[in-house]
Amino acid sequence: AQSVTQPDIHITVSEGASLELRCNYSYGATPYLFWYVQSPGQGLQLLLKYFSGDTLVQGIKGFEAEFKRSQSSFNLRKPSVHWSDAAEYFCAVGFTGKLIFGQGTTLQVKP
Amino acid sequence: ETGVTQTPRHLVMGMTNKKSLKCEQHLGHNAMYWYKQSAKKPLELMFVYSLEERVENNSVPSRFSPECPNSSHLFLHLHTLQPEDSALYLCASSQGRGSNYGYTFGSGTRLTVV
Repeated sequence: AQSVTQPDIHITVSEGASLELRCNYSYGATPYLFWYVQSPGQGLQLLLKYFSGDTLVQGIKGFEAEFKRSQSSFNLRKPSVHWSDAAEYFCAVGFTGKLIFGQGTTLQVKP
Repeated sequence: ETGVTQTPRHLVMGMTNKKSLKCEQHLGHNAMYWYKQSAKKPLELMFVYSLEERVENNSVPSRFSPECPNSSHLFLHLHTLQPEDSALYLCASSQGRGSNYGYTFGSGTRLTVV
């Protein structure tokens, strides 16, 4: 069955440090891939998406993600984290007309 | 107003009450969705509407009843809920039901069943 795994439930990084959030998926073909961010009390905001082509995609707020077919991964990265990046991040896979979400990774940013 | 708007933002209801959640999108999208977000659990897709027709119902209990009167509005009617139904209910919309479209989400309704 199709699934999305975010191995890290909670990550803490220092402000200014680099960030990588992991996402692995299980799907027979190349899926459509998304990263969303959710601030407390808010809905989900789309950070970036991958459909095809260049495997490194740029998103909003300085985020990027790289699709690696061989590893079935779509990891999210940011070179320098800001305190305002503290939020919950969701990876999602699109197939057969719907999105399946991972369990989310909570990012805490230390001053 | 733009985007996806959900009302109310917060709702507290007793188990014998009847209430409705409202979602409105101003994006010209033709597919709308209800998701349930509970603590420590992945987002659960509840209902999918495409061109105002319900196309998916993921084994949701009958105490949740969706309604999509037109492509801009989506309701979730609630009755005789249980405490475990307390969650954040998110509405989303997309242009087309294909999975290559990202969804636009509302801010959600925080529901507490007492």
